[in-house]
Order: sequence, then structure tokens, then C-alpha cells
Amino acid sequence: EVQLVESGGALVQPGGSLRLSCAASGFTSSDHYMDWVRQAPGKGLEWVVRTRNKANSYTTEYAASVKDRFIVSRDDSQNSLYLQMNSLKPEDTAFYYCCAYVRKGSFGWYPDYWGQGTLVTVSS
Amino acid sequence: IQLTQSPSSLSASVGDRVTITCRASQGISSFLAWYQQKPAKAPKLLIYAASSLQSGVPSRFSGSGSGTDFTLTISSLQPEDFATYYCQQLNSYPLTFGGGTKVEIK
Repeated sequence: EVQLVESGGALVQPGGSLRLSCAASGFTSSDHYMDWVRQAPGKGLEWVVRTRNKANSYTTEYAASVKDRFIVSRDDSQNSLYLQMNSLKPEDTAFYYCCAYVRKGSFGWYPDYWGQGTLVTVSS
Repeated sequence: IQLTQSPSSLSASVGDRVTITCRASQGISSFLAWYQQKPAKAPKLLIYAASSLQSGVPSRFSGSGSGTDFTLTISSLQPEDFATYYCQQLNSYPLTFGGGTKVEIK
């Protein structure tokens, strides 16, 4: 069974740092594109970052709102995805979801699998 | 690329046909997905590539469109379909979502 389990969410002060983890099981994460998507409480979805698969050298794309503050990484030995969040702001408060993409033939990559989310609260 | 969903909310009855639209600020070919999200749950992929039904999703869900105008249709609304629906473009970075459409019980 495919599963993604996020962890690491917490209450942190503005300017602080936090590292989120996403543990994958039931599939080899290095074969898949993976994203972090966030959702402020009661608000809509916001894409945060993409890391492509091993075949595409794990290249990354970031949303402007987090570029230069957040860093995505992977550990193939742990089948896991990480998000290092620095210089946190109150507007980063959200549920953070990791998702894994599956290639749909010529249609491109789409996120078949999602974790349950982990809550990050940035407040003094 | 901005995605504008309409309506932002709607009230409907079980058995109703429901249509949600998503308009992109520039052409995105067919690189569009639709998701369903229930409270305190992760989004669930319903439709990919604008009109392809994700495995396991009931056939009452369908998608259409290309370029800038897209539609999600639920042919006969069921009790489990009351949720919020989002479109997402995957044509170019930054990937973006529509603002969501909340489908409520009339």
C-alpha cells in the first residue's frame, strides 16, 4: 500500500527554522516527482516546491514566496522527502502536504499520492 | 498563471448536475487537474490532463476543456460529493491552484 506520512510540524517563533519530513512507503520515491503543497487554515491550496525524480537529477522549482528561505531535499536510503524552512514568517502558517507524482504517459506528471499533512504554526 | 474558479460556492441537492468552471489567465493546453478535498483531509486527484478520469474515481465525474477554459461536471451529485473542489495548472511554474468551489447541501 502506498503511503506518505509527514512529520515535524510545530509551533515556532517568527524568524525560526523547522524541518519537515515525508516518509514514503509502498513505492520508490526516487522514481517520482514530489512536491510540497500548503494550505493555511480555512484557505485554499498553495504549491510550495517541486523536486523532480532521480532520472531528472532531482532538480527543483520553488514558489517565489519561499525561494531563498526553504530548501527541499531527499534521502533515497530513507525513501524520504524533507523541507528545511528558515526565516519563518507568520504567513507560512499552514498545513503542509507532501505529494508524489505519477507519470501519465504523454500527459505529464500528476499527484496520485498525498500525505495527511502536518501543521506549522509561526507565532510569537 | 492565475486560475479563476466559479462559482466560489454553490448549494445543490442529491441527484443534481453540478458544473464548476476554471479559467486560466493564459493558455495551458490540457495541463490541468481537478481535486476534491473534504474537511481535515488531503486533496484527492479526480481528473488529470483536463479530461482523464483518475483510476478509482466514479464515472459521474468528468472534465473538459483546453487552452484557457475548463469544466468539472458531476452528473448526479451524491451525498459523499459534498466537498471543496480545486483546479490546478501544471503547464508552467509556479504551479497554481484555483481558489476553490465549495459544494454544499441545499
